[in-house]
Amino acid sequence: GDKVKQSPSALSLQEGTNSALRCNFSIAATTVQWFLQNPRGSLMNLFYLVPGTKENGRLKSAFDSKESYSTLHIRDAQLEDSGTYFCAAEDSAGNKLTFGIGTRVLVRP
Amino acid sequence: EAGVTQSPRYAVLQEGQAVSFWCDPISGHDTLYWYQQPRDQGPQLLVYFRDEAVIDNSQLPSDRFSAVRPKGTNSTLKIQSAKQGDTATYLCASSPRDYNQDTQYFGPGTRLLVL
Repeated sequence: GDKVKQSPSALSLQEGTNSALRCNFSIAATTVQWFLQNPRGSLMNLFYLVPGTKENGRLKSAFDSKESYSTLHIRDAQLEDSGTYFCAAEDSAGNKLTFGIGTRVLVRP
Repeated sequence: EAGVTQSPRYAVLQEGQAVSFWCDPISGHDTLYWYQQPRDQGPQLLVYFRDEAVIDNSQLPSDRFSAVRPKGTNSTLKIQSAKQGDTATYLCASSPRDYNQDTQYFGPGTRLLVL
């Protein structure tokens, strides 16, 4: 968890609002992946990023390798967005992902 | 396309017992990973294979854990003489040989409780 630091550790959102999650890296991250783990434990891919930004529906993510951070923005939060969001970084050695400890998100009606 | 499958989904053991976990990756994916996810933590890589070869097992407790992928497809992770500290979810993931996007796809995991 020290190599990939996620913040906040937990977040409670009103349905329909926006929020942002952040990861800071103390390793030389070359790519970043974001996942959502649902209450049943399944990890779902959200984004695979090289430096730059990607958008998918209400989610948008950015990765800045020079400043060593990545963000995930949730727009118009829905109940099904609840779960634990993980970011994971790959360094130049390749293939191995280092995960953060996650951000628990609860979307309230 | 079928996803990564794992079995069993749950296992409960007494300390000292052995257990094996099985993983079937997505067809055509050459790289297979095993992760351990303790409660309230992120997944931590144990070992990964490319085809049948172990690429990195530096985080695998070699005295009690072993992993094989003999034909470069399915894989088995085995724990000999389980300890309470092994209680965790064990996740398998696979990824294709795609140098532009090495996304990992995860299975549902096996939840292990060691009493």
